[in-house]
Amino acid sequence: QVQLQESGPGLVKPSQTLSLTCTVSGGSISSGSYYWNWIRQPAGKGLEWIGRIYTSGSTNYNPSLKSRVTISADTSKNQFSLKLTSVTVADTAVYYCARGGRGIDPWGQGTLVTVSS
Amino acid sequence: DIVMTQTPLSLSVTPGQPASISCKSSQSLLHSDGKTYLYWYLQKPGQSPQLLIYEVSNRFSGVPDRFSGSGSGTDFTLKISRVEAEDVGVYYCMQSIQLPYTFGQGTKLEIK
Repeated sequence: QVQLQESGPGLVKPSQTLSLTCTVSGGSISSGSYYWNWIRQPAGKGLEWIGRIYTSGSTNYNPSLKSRVTISADTSKNQFSLKLTSVTVADTAVYYCARGGRGIDPWGQGTLVTVSS
Repeated sequence: DIVMTQTPLSLSVTPGQPASISCKSSQSLLHSDGKTYLYWYLQKPGQSPQLLIYEVSNRFSGVPDRFSGSGSGTDFTLKISRVEAEDVGVYYCMQSIQLPYTFGQGTKLEIK
C-alpha cells in the first residue's frame, strides 16, 4: 500500500525558508486521480491545510499562506516538496504530507519543524 | 473560508456505550455533482490522522462498522455505536467542497 514519509530540517531560523520533502512508496505520484497535500498541526492544536499538487503539476494553496508557499513535485524521485519562506515562530508545527482522493489518506507520520533562533 | 464547528470539544464515554459528535459548516457542503464533501478523521494519541468516513456516510476501508456518519447540507454527525478503548483520540471533521480545505477544532474522546 502507499506510504508517505516526510523529511527535512527540524530546526529553521526565523526569516529563513522551511523546506520539506515527502517521499512516496508503494505507488506513483504521477498516476491515478490523486493529489498530494501538505497539512500542518501546531503542538496541541488543530489541523491546517497548506496546499496541494495534482499529478498534472497544478497547485492550490491556502490563501493565508499563499504568498509564502510553493509545492512542487519530482516524479523521477516519486517525491513532492514544500517550501515556506520568511518563517516565524508561528510556523512551528508538525508538518504532514498526505494523499488526496476520496478523502485525504494515507498520511505520513509527520515531522516536527521548530522555528527558533 | 468555510468554518467547521464541532461539538462537544470533549467527551468521556464508558466502554460499550454510544458516542456522538456534531459538526456544523458555515456553508452547505452539497456540490452540484450531488456529492457532499464532508469527511471524518481520527487522530489517535501520537499518531497521524486517519480517514474514517468520506462523503458524509461512507466508511473508509478497514473502518469498523460501529462508526457511522450522517447528515446533509450543513449539519453532520459521527456516531460510534459502542465505544471501545481503541477509539480514544481526537476526531476531526473536514470539508473539501471549497478551497482552502478546513477542519473542525477537534473533539477529544476519552474512556471513563
